[in-house]
Amino acid sequence: DAKTTQPTSMDCAEGRAANLPCNHSTISGNEYVYWYRQIHSQGPQYIIHGLKNNETNEMASLIITEDRKSSTLILPHATLRDTAVYYCIVRANFNKFYFGSGTKLNVKP
Amino acid sequence: GAVVSQHPSRVICKSGTSVKIECRSLDFQATTMFWYRQFPKQSLMLMATSNEGSKATYEQGVEKDKFLINHASLTLSTLTVTSAHPEDSSFYICSARSGRSMDEQFFGPGTRLTVL
Repeated sequence: DAKTTQPTSMDCAEGRAANLPCNHSTISGNEYVYWYRQIHSQGPQYIIHGLKNNETNEMASLIITEDRKSSTLILPHATLRDTAVYYCIVRANFNKFYFGSGTKLNVKP
Repeated sequence: GAVVSQHPSRVICKSGTSVKIECRSLDFQATTMFWYRQFPKQSLMLMATSNEGSKATYEQGVEKDKFLINHASLTLSTLTVTSAHPEDSSFYICSARSGRSMDEQFFGPGTRLTVL
């Protein structure tokens, strides 16, 4: 599976949009981009995933560049409860999930 | 969404004892379950993959005799940490993949193991 690169940490003001970038320049055509988050001492929580089209659900939006070498997870109105480590993972169907180091998002009042 | 539970949520044991952790898929059948380990301030590390009715496959560097995995039914996988030592203290997380869709994988809440 392709490797991903994410910033170590980011700050965001409560109520503002949080934009979390992820680089995956070696992504293959059959690999999806997944986003999970992990709140302290809990299991990872699924957020969203996509192949090449932008995706939106009740939690977030996923913007994938046309060349698919990078993506951005957008939390439209961050709350204090969104403080967590966010993991970007690229994975083909039937493959395992390998977690990178993720981005620690700090939402501040 | 589908729910995965783990039991116990927290366990403290003495060095040299064995500890069993259960992972259950509550409302779906999981043909495949995965076990991860997470040390403080680190990311999740995949340990092994278990398929119902067959032997688990371990990631490189993970001792299969140390971490025994059994996936006896479509809703239950167990991880046994044998002869636990303080360096085995960690957060153990399982996930389960639904047979309905290979894209879906659901994570449990984790088990905190402390070995004294």
